[in-house]
Amino acid sequence: QKEVEQDPGPLSVPEGAIVSLNCTYSNSAFQYFMWYRQYSRKGPELLMYTYSSGNKEDGRFTAQVDKSSKYISLFIRDSQPSDSATYLCAMSANTGNQFYFGTGTSLTVIP
Amino acid sequence: DSGVTQTPKHLITATGQRVTLRCSPRSGDLSVYWYQQSLDQGLQFLIQYYNGEERAKGNILERFSAQQFPDLHSELNLSSLELGDSALYFCASSPPVGGYTFGSGTRLTVV
Repeated sequence: QKEVEQDPGPLSVPEGAIVSLNCTYSNSAFQYFMWYRQYSRKGPELLMYTYSSGNKEDGRFTAQVDKSSKYISLFIRDSQPSDSATYLCAMSANTGNQFYFGTGTSLTVIP
Repeated sequence: DSGVTQTPKHLITATGQRVTLRCSPRSGDLSVYWYQQSLDQGLQFLIQYYNGEERAKGNILERFSAQQFPDLHSELNLSSLELGDSALYFCASSPPVGGYTFGSGTRLTVV
């Protein structure tokens, strides 16, 4: 079983839609969670960094962590064509240690 | 500019050859991570260094080696290259608390 599972998609939505991206994990020790955006073969860009359970909001992005279900989500409101990219989740048990990445979900926002 | 510098950006070499990829972390970051991303594959963790010492090892082949120098820059050495080693190689750095920051990657093509 992989440490982190992420649906690869692809996901296609119309501009302005709310997008929900999800990851599940198996290691209950994970408590640091990240979401990255990667444009076509560029370096992944950190979007959200959260600790433990709960929600964190930054502009149009909301990260949600449910440790009891071992499930994390990233919501994108008012999606834009510029949001078209691959979104990667990542998580770790301890800060400063290796983060385990999902395989990424490919998102296309259609104008 | 993420603050993590990787050189070279592109590298084309023949099978059986050896190459060195270089990474300079963000100022103040002590941890350096190396990842491999093949076409349509997720980020595969190779190795982590913290302040000059190896901290964690992932799926790194014996033909690959890395080190982190006193000035904290890191080098990834790939030898006896095979066609299957063609990939994007990313370096990331992190502070003691916080997420990774990735460089823009080195695109390696083995012909």
